[in-house]
Amino acid sequence: GAGVSQSPSNKVTEKGKDVELRCDPISGHTALYWYRQSLGQGLEFLIYFQGNSAPDKSGLPSDRFSAERTGGSVSTLTIQRTQQEDSAVYLCASSLTSGFDTQYFGPGTRLTVL
Amino acid sequence: AQTVTQSQPEMSVQEAETVTLSCTYDTSESDYYLFWYKQPPSRQMILVIRQEAYKQQNATENRFSVNFQKAAKSFSLKISDSQLGDAAMYFCAYRSARLWGKFQFGAGTQVVVTP
Repeated sequence: GAGVSQSPSNKVTEKGKDVELRCDPISGHTALYWYRQSLGQGLEFLIYFQGNSAPDKSGLPSDRFSAERTGGSVSTLTIQRTQQEDSAVYLCASSLTSGFDTQYFGPGTRLTVL
Repeated sequence: AQTVTQSQPEMSVQEAETVTLSCTYDTSESDYYLFWYKQPPSRQMILVIRQEAYKQQNATENRFSVNFQKAAKSFSLKISDSQLGDAAMYFCAYRSARLWGKFQFGAGTQVVVTP
């Protein structure tokens, strides 16, 4: 595709359930980023991948959050035992490399935990 | 740790006028990058302009320009000849040249453009 895509666009789940959020970066982009945007807030960095490796996982809020990337392409962010405070928009971005290249963002997944 | 501060929650500007958004950051590093992103209601984040800290010349992109004051750790965005399509949330962001992937974003400034 031409841009970064994310699925689902909206997800409503019950507290305690696990959810998986998917990101398809632009083809050929080696770097991939996950952010969380809570209502009325800026972006909170979660994790980034260079290829399939995640050099910095320090942004993940708790051990309920995990992410993986396979084949240097698709990435999945998994939230286990969701809590109401996990409700937010989760944004994914990719860039050609992890240097100064422009990040291209996806439209985000709006997660609502009831 | 780096922090990025945008002190203006909302700014209003008339069409064709100029508006300046402020951004300050705190860092002990000498080499880094600064960005302004735009987020319209569609939620799609779009890069507006970027600046390398080692460059003294201020970046410009058409109607968008920055005033980068490294000593003051200030990175303001000027939007000239404002258009209705400029209405959006604007985020200032910092990225260390050493910690490649990690970006720090400010809380954002909502720009309202009135006819």
